[in-house]
Amino acid sequence: EAGVAQSPRYKIIEKRQSVAFWCNPISGHATLYWYQQILGQGPKLLIQFQNNGVVDDSQLPKDRFSAERLKGVDSTLKIQPAKLEDSAVYLCASSSAGGSWNEQFFGPGTRLTVL
Amino acid sequence: AQSVTQPDIHITVSEGASLELRCNYSYGATPYLFWYVQSPGQGLQLLLKYFSGDTLVQGIKGFEAEFKRSQSSFNLRKPSVHWSDAAEYFCAVGAREYGNKLVFGAGTILRVKS
Repeated sequence: EAGVAQSPRYKIIEKRQSVAFWCNPISGHATLYWYQQILGQGPKLLIQFQNNGVVDDSQLPKDRFSAERLKGVDSTLKIQPAKLEDSAVYLCASSSAGGSWNEQFFGPGTRLTVL
Repeated sequence: AQSVTQPDIHITVSEGASLELRCNYSYGATPYLFWYVQSPGQGLQLLLKYFSGDTLVQGIKGFEAEFKRSQSSFNLRKPSVHWSDAAEYFCAVGAREYGNKLVFGAGTILRVKS
């Protein structure tokens, strides 16, 4: 079974530029998550989708971050414009839905450096 | 709100020695508890989880963890560390009431010396 795919793996941009990350979850997984992992910290949930609807985006900086999952499969996270403090690894995860708990499977992440 | 504290930022152990990584959580009820491992350039891999029942849980790669409600702790242990265990370890808490959301600790970097 293929895992969660993310691209690109690395991205370097200058502040005020825009950037987009792509995630393809495990086939059949209804729930998709984007996490931000700043160096020296644990991952922090930015947004959670169930199919193509947003379940939780309470920690997403909506003035500059946006995310979509139009067909309920793959997803794109965008930052526009980027700030220095956005330098981090952006992790995508997916899980099946239903049941009392569903294990989240993580992709390798995209490492963003903002100069 | 849920929170997780991992008091040790770095730990160094000798190969073959025992290991214990500490994790304390804050949550009103009994949460779901997890340990993940992250090797450089890799995503997070689930080592083990606790939902209910036996408070000592076994995971992959020879790891185990013990849930202690009275101490709000979920410490990770391994009796004999291998050089390949060098990585960063994250404790996380989740609750169904929070919609499958995970809250992570800041992580502990494990170094193994030969």
